[in-house]
Formats: sequence, structure tokens, C-alpha cells
Amino acid sequence: ETGVTQSPTHLIKTRGQQVTLRCSSQSGHNTVSWYQQALGQGPQFIFQYYREEENGRGNFPPRFSGLQFPNYSSELNVNALELDDSALYLCASSLGEVYEQFFGPGTRLTVL
Amino acid sequence: DQQVKQNSPSLSVQEGRISILNCDYTNSMFDYFLWYKKYPAEGPTFLISISSIKDKNEDGRFTVFLNKSAKHLSLHIVPSQPGDSAVYFCAASGNTPLVFGKGTRLSVIA
Repeated sequence: ETGVTQSPTHLIKTRGQQVTLRCSSQSGHNTVSWYQQALGQGPQFIFQYYREEENGRGNFPPRFSGLQFPNYSSELNVNALELDDSALYLCASSLGEVYEQFFGPGTRLTVL
Repeated sequence: DQQVKQNSPSLSVQEGRISILNCDYTNSMFDYFLWYKKYPAEGPTFLISISSIKDKNEDGRFTVFLNKSAKHLSLHIVPSQPGDSAVYFCAASGNTPLVFGKGTRLSVIA
């Protein structure tokens, strides 16, 4: 059974640029959630996708957007990057249930 | 406003002793609570959970206690092992996305 994978591992961007982060769900999981973990904080919910549709969104501006593909993999896109977007971005997959989420290792984004 | 609070940023415990990690919450709609463990360069790993209909759940060396009236839960690890050294996150949900605390860094000293 393949776990949740994320790419890239690390990324450095400058203010105003756009970034795309990728996530492959654990085999058989149809729900993907994205979280932002700033330094010294716990993960904060960005949004969730279930069967290719957005299924809930946290308190993040519209420049944070996402996609889920038919194979349940997912992308997180962030436009007009700001310095405060520097964080660890975590993807978690589950089989429909909110609670039983399995996390990937994360992508460390640095915005200069 | 933080709905899930872990007021101790760090905790050091001797190997073999008990580790107690605490978590407080403010939202009375939360009905499911989880603990995750996180090692550096890895994503959080699910450890143990408890439903609001219970006040205790045990899994091997790990026990979670829930006090609904105090809106407080705790994770007990006994005996603590050096491999338990990690950041522990408390999370809560009430048919909503998970809300995480800031985490407590546990160091188990051999």
C-alpha cells in the first residue's frame, strides 16, 4: 500500500510569483485535505476535495485554489505569493471520513 | 481565537517514566478528538482518538482521557521511550475540518 506522497519537498519562490504543489493520495482514498503549517503553529485547514469537488474551505483567500483529479491526486495553487505564505504545506488523504486522515511529508515553501 | 490550545510548548521526561501531554478546547460542538505525532521531515502520524461519548481510550502505552465538563483532554504515555521524542498535536472536530493545537515537543531522555 502506497502512502501519501507530496512534491516537491522544498521550494523557494519570490513575492508575487505563483506556485503549484502536488499530492498523491493513499491508494483507495477519495478525499484530500490541504493544510498550512507555519513555524511554531499547528496545521491550519485550507480546503478539502471529495471526488473532484471542493468540499469545505478554511479561512484562506481566493488566491489559494486547488484541484482534484480523477485518480484522486490533487494540486494546491497559490497566486501572488506573499512572505507570510512561507510554511510547510501538508496534504492528507482519507476515505471520506474527516477523522482518519493520513498525512504526507509536506512541501516546505519559502517566499523571499 | 484558538479553539484548541496546547499550553506547554515543550516537555522533558526520563525514559521509563510517564509523559502527560495536555490539551484544552473552547468549542463545545467538538465531539471527536485526536492526537498526532510528528517527527522532523515527516507528516503527522495518527496516534489515538476519543469520541465525546467516552472519557478514556487506551492503546498499548498510550491512553487519552477526556473531561468534557472542563473541556480538557490529556495523553498519557507510559512507559516513555526515547523513540517517543517528537512533536505531539492535539486535534478536534465537530463534523468540521480538523482544528489543531500548536503542538508540544516531547523529549524523552535516556
